[in-house]
Amino acid sequence: DQQVKQNSPSLSVQEGRISILNCDYTNSMFDYFLWYKKYPAEGPTFLISISSIKDKNEDGRFTVFLNKSAKHLSLHIVPSQPGDSAVYFCAASEEAGANNLFFGTGTRLTVIP
Amino acid sequence: DADVTQTPRNRITKTGKRIMLECSQTKGHDRMYWYRQDPGLGLRLIYYSFDVKDINKGEISDGYSVSRQAQAKFSLSLESAIPNQTALYFCATSDYRQGATGELFFGEGSRLTVL
Repeated sequence: DQQVKQNSPSLSVQEGRISILNCDYTNSMFDYFLWYKKYPAEGPTFLISISSIKDKNEDGRFTVFLNKSAKHLSLHIVPSQPGDSAVYFCAASEEAGANNLFFGTGTRLTVIP
Repeated sequence: DADVTQTPRNRITKTGKRIMLECSQTKGHDRMYWYRQDPGLGLRLIYYSFDVKDINKGEISDGYSVSRQAQAKFSLSLESAIPNQTALYFCATSDYRQGATGELFFGEGSRLTVL
């Protein structure tokens, strides 16, 4: 059973607008959450993370929001750029470190110039 | 050159054949991982290793084995490949000192097709 879910397989956004990617999880023991970005023919690369003690973490154009009561997190990209077009994976872990990360199925973001 | 290198990048094989995917890293990280990616299922952990003497099963280890030959090398073997092992395989590393972020550094992937 998928413990981390990304219900939108794809998302298209105009350049300059906000992109919002969503992720839901079922395991209440998850304490660390991460977003990875993947371009074709490349491995995923780390984007941003958040600990359960926070509800927001920001890094430049990227902000991750965590709502523990709803078991939901989202990634906001503002402003969106064509180079942001990629597959975005949400991941979660019960403990610090990457011993056992559970990944979502990914959302393909297309930023239209 | 890539910090995490996987070989081969692409492989087509037949059912029942033994296959080895190799991974080497120059990042100096202690921890190494093997994941597989399937359409609609995301990435799932097969095995992970904290150091040369430590090997741990992940979510989907059945049908796979691993070997940590050195700190920098971690290989994945399919003793008798079957068609449902057709997937994109990723090796990854992480640094314990950065463990709190869970940041994994991935290789470029090895696409395996089992006919």
